[in-house]
Amino acid sequence: DAKTTQPPSMDCAEGRAANLPCNHSTISGNEYVYWYRQIHSQGPQYIIHGLKNNETNEMASLIITEDRKSSTLILPHATLRDTAVYYCIVRVSGLYNTNAGKSTFGDGTTLTVKP
Amino acid sequence: NAGVTQTPKFQVLKTGQSMTLQCAQDMNHEYMSWYRQDPGMGLRLIHYSVGAGITDQGEVPNGYNVSRSTTEDFPLRLLSAAPSQTSVYFCASRAGGAGTDTQYFGPGTRLTVL
Repeated sequence: DAKTTQPPSMDCAEGRAANLPCNHSTISGNEYVYWYRQIHSQGPQYIIHGLKNNETNEMASLIITEDRKSSTLILPHATLRDTAVYYCIVRVSGLYNTNAGKSTFGDGTTLTVKP
Repeated sequence: NAGVTQTPKFQVLKTGQSMTLQCAQDMNHEYMSWYRQDPGMGLRLIHYSVGAGITDQGEVPNGYNVSRSTTEDFPLRLLSAAPSQTSVYFCASRAGGAGTDTQYFGPGTRLTVL
């Protein structure tokens, strides 16, 4: 799986959009970008994923650059409950891939939403 | 569905003791994994399984054993606990298939080794 780079911390004002960047310059063509978050002391929670098109769900939007070397997770209206560590992961998908069982998390970005 | 469950929630061991952390999922997922998270750090993969009877090592497997006799259960065994194994342990599961790598995590087991 490709390595990702994220800033260690970011702040965001409550009600504003939070834009969390992730660099994955060594991503290969069959690797997906996944985002998870971990609220203090809890198990990580899935947010969103994508391959090359931008994606949106009820939690967030994912913008992937055309060359797929970076992506941005957007929380459109951040709340205090969005304060968490956000992990960007790049991995190959597929049942029969020899690496399919593996998934390593980096240190993520600590997002602090302030009143 | 209960999702991914882990027991116990908290555990204190003495150096040299052994124990098993339990993990179960009721989503019929093929893949299951164990991670550890040290204070202020990200998650590191210990062991994983791609199906019943199949396990493999992750980044930090030393001192831990796993087995997968059923699809539902994936216990993690500490053979001889050491203070360096003090950590929070998370179990996760996911379905197989292209584009379906979303992982579901349990609530964690907080282990202290004295």
